[in-house]
Amino acid sequence: SYELTQPPSVSVSPGQTARITCSGDALPKQYAYWYQQKPGQAPVLVIYKDSERPSGIPERFSGSSSGTTVTLTISGVQAEDEADYYCQSTDSSATSYWVFGGGTKLTVL
Amino acid sequence: EVQLVESGGGLVKPGGSLRLSCAASGFTFSRYTMDWVRQAPGKGLEWVSSISTSSSYIYYADSVKGRFTISRDNAKNSLYLQMNSLRAEDTAVYYCAREWQVVVAATIEYYGMDVWGQGTTVTVSS
Repeated sequence: SYELTQPPSVSVSPGQTARITCSGDALPKQYAYWYQQKPGQAPVLVIYKDSERPSGIPERFSGSSSGTTVTLTISGVQAEDEADYYCQSTDSSATSYWVFGGGTKLTVL
Repeated sequence: EVQLVESGGGLVKPGGSLRLSCAASGFTFSRYTMDWVRQAPGKGLEWVSSISTSSSYIYYADSVKGRFTISRDNAKNSLYLQMNSLRAEDTAVYYCAREWQVVVAATIEYYGMDVWGQGTTVTVSS
């Protein structure tokens, strides 16, 4: 079955830039989506179609894509950005409709 | 206010059944593909199932295929998940989510799951 691979954890100091990667063989052909989830809360969509930001999401959140890797970048990280982040995509096969990455815990030091 | 509210979770024995519901409000439910996504304790998100606007297209994760059935009632603005033959590994918080889709030049483009419920907890244990 199709898999999306994320690092388990990323740590940054306030004001620095955090980069969270997500790798998958189909990512050159399929868009990726990013969700933020804080403890005890439902996920929130922060990036769609690799690099688009929904209304209401701060400009410090951005996304990019290069080959089999997509990256969520958070510039000028704030304490409130500490959360789990998940990428989502598909390989359009009969066995994988939607797939989530394993998640990355962002710690703001 | 756009809202999704899940219900129906609880404690069930292995092999048992449970039916989850998701009540939608604040938007035209019949125009959106809907999903169920679950999260086991301390684990990541796992997509479970999707159903198109008119129930014509239904998809399941391999882990639940043959045991779970997704359905919807557009007249009642409700989404359902019938879960049979439950296993311990089905223990999770179950979220319903709305798929944000936009028609661009007669093509449906997917923009992500933009509205989520607060989740309902399912515990499978003897």
